[in-house]
Amino acid sequence: AQSVSQHNHHVILSEAASLELGCNYSYGGTVNLFWYVQYPGQHLQLLLKYFSGDPLVKGIKGFEAEFIKSKFSFNLRKPSVQWSDTAEYFCAVKSRNNNDMRFGAGTRLTVKP
Amino acid sequence: GAGVSQTPSNKVTEKGKYVELRCDPISGHTALYWYRQSLGQGPEFLIYFQGTGAADDSGLPNDRFFAVRPEGSVSTLKIQRTERGDSAVYLCASTNGGGGGTGELFFGEGSRLTVL
Repeated sequence: AQSVSQHNHHVILSEAASLELGCNYSYGGTVNLFWYVQYPGQHLQLLLKYFSGDPLVKGIKGFEAEFIKSKFSFNLRKPSVQWSDTAEYFCAVKSRNNNDMRFGAGTRLTVKP
Repeated sequence: GAGVSQTPSNKVTEKGKYVELRCDPISGHTALYWYRQSLGQGPEFLIYFQGTGAADDSGLPNDRFFAVRPEGSVSTLKIQRTERGDSAVYLCASTNGGGGGTGELFFGEGSRLTVL
C-alpha cells in the first residue's frame, strides 16, 4: 500500500505570509493526489486534487499544489495566508488501480492575525 | 441524503463493552471507507468496501474490529471488548469512483468514541 509523509507538524505564520506545506508519497503505481483541510470543529473537506494533465492544480480559497513526479511530491502553497486559513491540512494519495486511499499525519497551520 | 451521515456522534462506553458505529453514505456511492483519527494524527485507514464486499480490510488493528455493509449502502463498524486505546474519532467516507476511479472522498462528521 502507498504511504504519505508530511514534513511539517505545526506551522505558525503571520497573516499575508506565504505558505508551503510539504507532502511526499511512496507508491510504485499511478496515483491521484489530494489535499484535505479540517477547520476547527468541522469535518474533512477537499481543498484540491490532481488526477492528470497540468501538474499545477488550483483549489479553493487561493490554494494550489504542484505534482512533481520525479520527486514523488505534491506540495501545497498559498501566496498570502489569512487568519481564516488556520486549520489542519492533510495530504492523501489514492491508487489508480483501486480505491485504496491513505492520508498523511497532517500539518497544523496557525495564522496569527 | 445530502451527505455522509454517522451515528452516534458521540459514544462513551466502558472498557470491555461492545460498540457499533453506523455510517450512511451518499446515495449511489459504491465505495465506502472507515478511518480512525486520534488527536493530532491523520486519518488512519481501517477498511474499505466496494459494494457489499470488503475490498481491503488490512487496516483493521485486530480481530476485535469488524465491519459490514450487507446491502452495499449502510455500513456498521463493530468493536468488541473495547479498550481505552480504541478511543478516537471514527470517520466514514464514501465516493462514487469504481476501480481506477478518480472520485474524491466525502467525509461524515465522525463518531467520537471514548472508552473509560
